Amino acid sequence: DTEVTQTPKHLVMGMTNKKSLKCEQHMGHRAMYWYKQKAKKPPELMFVYSYEKLSINESVPSRFSPECPNSSLLNLHLHALQPEDSALYLCASSQPQVRIGPPYEQYFGPGTRLTVT
Amino acid sequence: SQQGEEDPQALSIQEGENATMNCSYKTSINNLQWYRQNSGRGLVHLILIRSNEREKHSGRLRVTLDTSKKSSSLLITASRAADTASYFCEGIYGSRLTFGEGTQLTVNP
Repeated sequence: DTEVTQTPKHLVMGMTNKKSLKCEQHMGHRAMYWYKQKAKKPPELMFVYSYEKLSINESVPSRFSPECPNSSLLNLHLHALQPEDSALYLCASSQPQVRIGPPYEQYFGPGTRLTVT
Repeated sequence: SQQGEEDPQALSIQEGENATMNCSYKTSINNLQWYRQNSGRGLVHLILIRSNEREKHSGRLRVTLDTSKKSSSLLITASRAADTASYFCEGIYGSRLTFGEGTQLTVNP
């Protein structure tokens, strides 16, 4: 199984709502990633979890709160978002990348299209 | 901040022609990957090239890497209409991964 699944596919939320995005993989990968992608732009890395611990936070606002409850699941909790947060949110997984060591291919999910009204 | 820049930003060719996309990066990398993305969907991994490799092939794809010039190129030979997509390079340095701006390729039947 080389699939990364993401739910929901689409999400519309108001600025006062609290919602969560979910990502799941069963490839035994121990690194999981959240990316944000605006239209016609490349994905921007938000968070990296390695062995279920947050290893990279790319200065993401606190209204985005990641959680990795186990090695197969990755959540992104959303609260008090702004309209400019509307984007495609992509999850990916791989074996953990290290500076000295073999590279590992990332597998991406199909994304959640988020609209903040 | 984006590490990579890609050119051209948009490329339109006829089916059967070859398509070449370039990616340049500013900082050190261990490895570089190329992905394709169909409109509004997830990314599909195409090929990975390590910093000690100069060229790699996979089917109709050929990737080169020139670490002295901090650049990489992706060549798609004998293009097909189904190759229409956005193509991104991604530099890897440890666990830090950064995408280039991408090239939108349109292959006209």
